[in-house]
Amino acid sequence: EVQLVQSEAAVKQPGESLKISCKGSGYDFPNYWIAWVRQMPGKGLEWMGIIYPADSDTRYSPSFQGQVTISGDKSISTAYLQWTTLKASDSAMYYCARISHTSSPMAYWGQGTLVTVSS
Amino acid sequence: EIVLTQSPGTLSLSPGERATLSCRASQSVTGSYVAWYQQKPGQAPRLLIYGAFSRATGIPDRFSGSGSGTDFTLTISRLEPEDFAVYHCQQYGNLPFTFGPGTKVDIK
Repeated sequence: EVQLVQSEAAVKQPGESLKISCKGSGYDFPNYWIAWVRQMPGKGLEWMGIIYPADSDTRYSPSFQGQVTISGDKSISTAYLQWTTLKASDSAMYYCARISHTSSPMAYWGQGTLVTVSS
Repeated sequence: EIVLTQSPGTLSLSPGERATLSCRASQSVTGSYVAWYQQKPGQAPRLLIYGAFSRATGIPDRFSGSGSGTDFTLTISRLEPEDFAVYHCQQYGNLPFTFGPGTKVDIK
């Protein structure tokens, strides 16, 4: 069974750093893309970027390029989304999802990680 | 970047009625690579339709997708109580992949 398990909710202050994770199981993790999606409170879904764990090929949405870093560790079947300097506007639910190749939909989703940035 | 517009923003219907949701792209979507997702409060999205008209595994046949080019439609033939939710369209034919703002289907 394909599963994506995300790290728990995080509460941070503005200016702090954060790295959230998405661990895949039940499939050949390195050879499937992982996407990250943001959902701000009461809003729609925003595609942030994708990573191919086998070679760390990464593509970003222009809206998120330079704002976050997507990375992965294929040895432990885990993808990451990282911020160096959080802002209050980064408060949102973040989902990871698996896609088979760059032209395929998101068939499997993690449960989401709620990030709250507040002083 | 392809911008997706969904209409209506909210659709108020009764169980048993037909729901027609629209997704319009700012330019033609390569390969008609459009997906529809259902999202209920507190849950992750669930894939319903991919490739504009193919149902994902386990999706009831009351859900159907159609369209090509820039205009796509999700139809729910007869609404069941569990179908009241938010529906998101997504294009995955052109990087960056993008989502529409969503259509909420609520009970009239």
